[in-house]
Amino acid sequence: DQQVKQNSPSLSVQEGRISILNCDYTNSMFDYFLWYKKYPAEGPTFLISISSIKDKNEDGRFTVFLNKSAKHLSLHIVPSQPGDSAVYFCAANGLTSGTYKYIFGTGTRLKVLA
Amino acid sequence: DAGVTQSPTHLIKTRGQHVTLRCSPISGHKSVSWYQQVLGQGPQFIFQYYEKEERGRGNFPDRFSARQFPNYSSELNVNALLLGDSALYLCASSLPLGQVDYEQYFGPGTRLTVT
Repeated sequence: DQQVKQNSPSLSVQEGRISILNCDYTNSMFDYFLWYKKYPAEGPTFLISISSIKDKNEDGRFTVFLNKSAKHLSLHIVPSQPGDSAVYFCAANGLTSGTYKYIFGTGTRLKVLA
Repeated sequence: DAGVTQSPTHLIKTRGQHVTLRCSPISGHKSVSWYQQVLGQGPQFIFQYYEKEERGRGNFPDRFSARQFPNYSSELNVNALLLGDSALYLCASSLPLGQVDYEQYFGPGTRLTVT
């Protein structure tokens, strides 16, 4: 039972354009959402987060949008740069089976073309 | 500032053996979590420890155990290794507020190969 889903395994975008990565979740008890970026042979690096009481959070080129009614969040990167090429994981934190823990999606591989 | 450190970086073990993985959190962080990541999947939660107490456990068999030391470093132990235990094991540290963790910071991981 995958509570956090990233349905697009890969995405290619031209440099300078907008990258939009999507994530869906099923558990309404999640109260905090995060995006991580992962390069090969490294651990995930925290990018940006959003509390469930907000619908938008912006940090430089990165913006996360949360639609609680649709149980959907998205990460917008604008403008996209070649260095953004990596695997992006969506994660949700909240009470799951009696324990607070993070649930990660399966990741989306972003490739930014120069 | 040092980030989360893990040792060893790579490890090869044989089926049936035991393995111990180590993690040192960011200075000041009191919570450590362990994750298993297999190829093509996101990290799967194994354990969380806070102030030396187990605070959460994922859906992993009893062959997996962990502990946290007074200096907040942690060990993950896996007994009776199976081929399916081959994965990247990630440690993350955080400074939880109350019951909820906010940002977790990951180490580079230990790549375990079971042959």
